[in-house]
This record gives sequence, C-alpha cells and structure tokens, in this order.
Amino acid sequence: GAGVSQSPRYKVAKRGQDVALRCDPISGHVSLFWYQQALGQGPEFLTYFQNEAQLDKSGLPSDRFFAERPEGSVSTLKIQRTQQEDSAVYLCASSSLGTVNYGYTFGSGTRLTVV
Amino acid sequence: QKEVEQDPGPLSVPEGAIVSLNCTYSNSAFQYFMWYRQYSRKGPELLMYTYSSGNKEDGRFTAQVDKSSKYISLFIRDSQPSDSATYLCAMSSEDSSYKLIFGSGTRLLVRP
Repeated sequence: GAGVSQSPRYKVAKRGQDVALRCDPISGHVSLFWYQQALGQGPEFLTYFQNEAQLDKSGLPSDRFFAERPEGSVSTLKIQRTQQEDSAVYLCASSSLGTVNYGYTFGSGTRLTVV
Repeated sequence: QKEVEQDPGPLSVPEGAIVSLNCTYSNSAFQYFMWYRQYSRKGPELLMYTYSSGNKEDGRFTAQVDKSSKYISLFIRDSQPSDSATYLCAMSSEDSSYKLIFGSGTRLLVRP
C-alpha cells in the first residue's frame, strides 16, 4: 500500500479485556517498529522487527504485551488483561532498512482507551 | 529527568514569523538527530535528519545540532498556518540507531 495502515483506528476496551492491534507496513519494508504515545507525550519505543525476527523488545512495559510478525509483513501487538495505564495511541512504523538514516514512515496509530 | 527535554508550548506566532524550536538532551552517545511533525490524530512525519553536529537546510526549515551543548534546534522561516502542528525532536545512538528517543513535543500555532 501507499502508507502504513493500522487497524482499528479506535478501540475501547474494558479493564481486563485482551486486545489485538494490527499493522500493515509499506510493502517490501524490512523493518517494523511499535511505539506507544501517551497523551501529551512523545512516542516511546516498544519493539523492533527485522523481517519476522523480533530483534529488540526491551520497551514492552510488561509481560502482558506481546508482538509478532510471523511472515515478515503484517504485525500484531497484543495486550492481555488491559489496564487503565495502557490507554494511549499505539503507533506502528516501517522502513526499508534498519538504520534510522532513511527515516521511518509512521501509521496514524490506534487510539486505545481502557475503561 | 528525561533523556530528552522539550518545551511543550503552545507557541503562538503570526503568519510569516520565524519560529525557533529546540530540545536539550543528556546522553552524549546520541549521534542521530531528527525533527518530526505531527498533525492531530496523525502519525509523526519526518522533517529533518542530521548526523552528528552541524546545520542542515531544506526549504524553509533549518536544523542545527550543537553536541558540545547537547542542544538541537529547528528553525522555520516564513511560517504558514499549515505549519500548525506538534513538533517532536528525536534522537538515537550509534549502537541503537533504530531506537528513537523522542521529546514530548512542542505545539505550534501559526495565526493567519
């Protein structure tokens, strides 16, 4: 596609519910990233994939967060037993190479509200 | 204390003004410096990228990096209402260049 596509755009979850957020990167992009952006803050790194390999998951806040990219294209970020502090915009980005020199293309994000 | 500090604003200027946005940082290992623009309910969009110290110009935008002071700036000349957005600085180190550390963003409003 022309850009990074994320779905759903908005998600309301009851506390304790599991959610799954989807990211369709730009076709052919090797690298994929997930960031979390709280209200009024800058994005914070969650995890990094190169093809299907998850090379860095140091930013995942707890073991309730899990990300996968099984075929090296579409990625899913799953949050189990959601808590109110998980409310944020979850941004996905992709790039043709792993290095930052070429910049990333971000999607518009999924806004998660936990009630 | 955050690794990257950025004044949240909002910064309100008249159309045509020169805008100065800046960030300070504490990690001397940072080598890659970027400015992103983020419109409401959209993802960040890369505006400028600089490696190490120096200046870079692209149209109405100029980015400056002063590593000795751990200070980076973005200047916008002849500002337009369409420049109204949140501006995020971001940076990363040589050994984790893919992991961007963002400032909290400065909201800019350009009044017609």
